[in-house]
Amino acid sequence: DTAVSQTPKYLVTQMGNDKSIKCEQNLGHDTMYWYKQDSKKFLKIMFSYNNKELIINETVPNRFSPKSPDKAHLNLHINSLELGDSAVYFCASSQDWRGAGTEAFFGQGTRLTVV
Amino acid sequence: AQSVTQPDIHITVSEGASLELRCNYSYGATPYLFWYVQSPGQGLQLLLKYFSGDTLVQGIKGFEAEFKRSQSSFNLRKPSVHWSDAAEYFCAVGAYSSARQLTFGSGTQLTVLP
Repeated sequence: DTAVSQTPKYLVTQMGNDKSIKCEQNLGHDTMYWYKQDSKKFLKIMFSYNNKELIINETVPNRFSPKSPDKAHLNLHINSLELGDSAVYFCASSQDWRGAGTEAFFGQGTRLTVV
Repeated sequence: AQSVTQPDIHITVSEGASLELRCNYSYGATPYLFWYVQSPGQGLQLLLKYFSGDTLVQGIKGFEAEFKRSQSSFNLRKPSVHWSDAAEYFCAVGAYSSARQLTFGSGTQLTVLP
């Protein structure tokens, strides 16, 4: 069983479109994250949810809206896509959001290409 | 806020040679340290972690890392590299009270020559 799964794996879309990426974890973790990996492989956290509540929003444009219907799911919706949004988006989960519980388990990533 | 520096962008080693990937962190208290590996087109897999105790930690795939507080370093080592180790390696730091979770270094790309 895949621990953290995200869909789709690849997403190609035109500028201005709205798209969603889904993420599910079956580890029983309380905390879930979205990370963005740019073209230089740099990983930066975007959002963090703990038990469905937002605890981190790292100055991400409000075109990005995460939604957590339950603690096993954290979806990412992006409105009005721009060329600069092209990146690999990783979902991750951890047991807790502080200290030793921050060991994160990552999904396979979603490669978003905006044309 | 914590930060991580991986000074080597790209390292090339021959198969069977030893490997050391450097990682330096900045954090005011005892950090939680991680090494992740990312194979092409894949997600990140945890290699090993340091929370406390023995400063030499063993991980999967024959990797180990040593926490040196005096040098603010957490270098990753492997005595004999295999071709399948070619990947991108990320060092990360987590902090107990930080709301920023994991802060990643910029990564080191490892190429293994036959």
